[in-house]
Amino acid sequence: SQTIHQWPATLVQPVGSPLSLECTVEGTSNPNLYWYRQAAGRGLQLLFYSVGIGQISSEVPQNLSASRPQDRQFILSSKKLLLSDSGFYLCAWSLLAYEQYFGPGTRLTVT
Amino acid sequence: GEDVEQSLFLSVREGDSSVINCTYTDSSSTYLYWYKQEPGAGLQLLTYIFSNMDMKQDQRLTVLLNKKDKHLSLRIADTQTGDSAIYFCAESFHSSGSARQLTFGSGTQLTVLP
Repeated sequence: SQTIHQWPATLVQPVGSPLSLECTVEGTSNPNLYWYRQAAGRGLQLLFYSVGIGQISSEVPQNLSASRPQDRQFILSSKKLLLSDSGFYLCAWSLLAYEQYFGPGTRLTVT
Repeated sequence: GEDVEQSLFLSVREGDSSVINCTYTDSSSTYLYWYKQEPGAGLQLLTYIFSNMDMKQDQRLTVLLNKKDKHLSLRIADTQTGDSAIYFCAESFHSSGSARQLTFGSGTQLTVLP
């Protein structure tokens, strides 16, 4: 069966520091991968999605970037964090089927 | 653009039925979804319905779709305290390749009272 991992689970970083969040999927090949941000425990905003290695589509211009160095690895990064980057970051995967499956999330607090 | 709306809060008594409603705007949506999120956790896919269906039932869950009115509902029968969570409605549309983008509503906080 497929599983999706995210780490770290929680992170507290000062403003201006760099960021790297990692997402990995097990048990499947060539998944579509997604990064979402959830602010204030509510609606989800799609940040990036990827249909293959090195292929990244950005939905919202911002302080963040994404990379997919391996088939089942998706990384969310920032060179300098802003206070507004605080939130709950969720990674998801899908195949040709129409469901998206979400990871457990990373709670980021920028201080 | 795509827009999905839900009421923010719903309270029910344990054992009663819960009905969570959602409206969407994109008539080309092919799939509509219900996700559940418990505190501090990721989203769990509960069920989804294809847009050419009117109803889908899965144990205590019943999804009703009114495509004409672009209205989706989730009914939970015999609601239990473990059903307390935020429920998200989402619609999908095709992006590039095989990727499908989901547009989420703001979520409905379901509180089950003893």
